[in-house]
Amino acid sequence: DTGVSQDPRHKITKRGQNVTFRCDPISEHNRLYWYRQTLGQGPEFLTYFQNEAQLEKSRLLSDRFSAERPKGSFSTLEIQRTEQGDSAMYLCASSWGTGPTDTQYFGPGTRLTVL
Amino acid sequence: AQRVTQPEKLLSVFKGAPVELKCNYSYSGSPELFWYVQYSRQRLQLLLRHISRESIKGFTADLNKGETSFHLKKPFAQEEDSAMYYCALSGRGTSYDKVIFGPGTSLSVIP
Repeated sequence: DTGVSQDPRHKITKRGQNVTFRCDPISEHNRLYWYRQTLGQGPEFLTYFQNEAQLEKSRLLSDRFSAERPKGSFSTLEIQRTEQGDSAMYLCASSWGTGPTDTQYFGPGTRLTVL
Repeated sequence: AQRVTQPEKLLSVFKGAPVELKCNYSYSGSPELFWYVQYSRQRLQLLLRHISRESIKGFTADLNKGETSFHLKKPFAQEEDSAMYYCALSGRGTSYDKVIFGPGTSLSVIP
């Protein structure tokens, strides 16, 4: 297992376009997290899944954002009608357990640039 | 509100000198504190957590509930310690089951 993977690694899009990112967690991990990181800041929590259930969404996650984890394995994060303020690094992490204190393993991130 | 602050964006120390990266938090319950590290061109990874009371790569951190701090310390800095360090907080509860990260401190160890 090579750890958490994310695809694509970089995405450049024009304002108003839709984008979708994929995260493949470590295979036996039941929890999957999405974070957003902007320059000079730490990762900000967006949402997380336990198996296929989305248990919490941050208020940062507007209606333009949606995340899925259909079979409790990989997850997708879609941003509709992108805005320049969506430009950021989107990080995915996975863990095995029942809470946030379990060690989270991070992917390399997807860097989104909205022109 | 739950929050993590790291007052120093940048910290430079000489090799062999002691290093302390400061972290303060606000949390109404009983928090769990972590330090994450990101080396150049590598992924964010867990360095240590307060419940383990362990020393990793010579680093230690003590949770001080009275001062709401969780400073990261190392007695003798090494060049390979140069990285971005994030303090993070989590807590169990129905409305707060996630990790909150601080803004990070960039540590530069001068040879």
